[in-house]
Amino acid sequence: DAKTTQPPSMDCAEGRAANLPCNHSTISGNEYVYWYRQIHSQGPQYIIHGLKNNETNEMASLIITEDRKSSTLILPHATLRDTAVYYCILNDYKLSFGAGTTVTVRA
Amino acid sequence: AAGVIQSPRHLIKEKRETATLKCYPIPRHDTVYWYQQGPGQDPQFLISFYEKMQSDKGSIPDRFSAQQFSDYHSELNMSSLELGDSALYFCASSLRAERTDTQYFGPGTRLTVL
Repeated sequence: DAKTTQPPSMDCAEGRAANLPCNHSTISGNEYVYWYRQIHSQGPQYIIHGLKNNETNEMASLIITEDRKSSTLILPHATLRDTAVYYCILNDYKLSFGAGTTVTVRA
Repeated sequence: AAGVIQSPRHLIKEKRETATLKCYPIPRHDTVYWYQQGPGQDPQFLISFYEKMQSDKGSIPDRFSAQQFSDYHSELNMSSLELGDSALYFCASSLRAERTDTQYFGPGTRLTVL
């Protein structure tokens, strides 16, 4: 059974922020939230991860709710190269890829 | 920075043949994972190795076997190939000593079974 739930698709205008939601209501106390993306048949690319604090790196920001039951990945200035399938995964030493969100960035 | 290397990148085999896929992890990484991604599907976990020992097993067919060698590279051996084995095969590596065990993926091997 999927441990995370994401919307199947979303569009974003180039240059605008993209906010990708993820629900993980059954997350356990020691599970990290990971985000990966896959650009057409390439190897999945690690984006960011977090436990309970908000995190930011050069690619994105991750906002985790205080109860840890949901999170949002923020791509601050989406570009056409950000068009990909984005996966929210709870790391359990093996990654269980769910359906993910297909993000299309439009010019 | 060095990344995960997979070879070959493309492989074409006939039914019932055997294939061997190789994975070279990021230097100093001690854990290797194999994933299979069929056409239009999401990646599915097959098997993982930590310090040369199998650490977890997913939906890997009995016709497949894998191992991790002393230099930490790994090989996925696939026998009696079937048409349904046509897929992308990704290898990922991580440093399990890190609490978060972040996995980094290679570019994949595209296997086509005719």
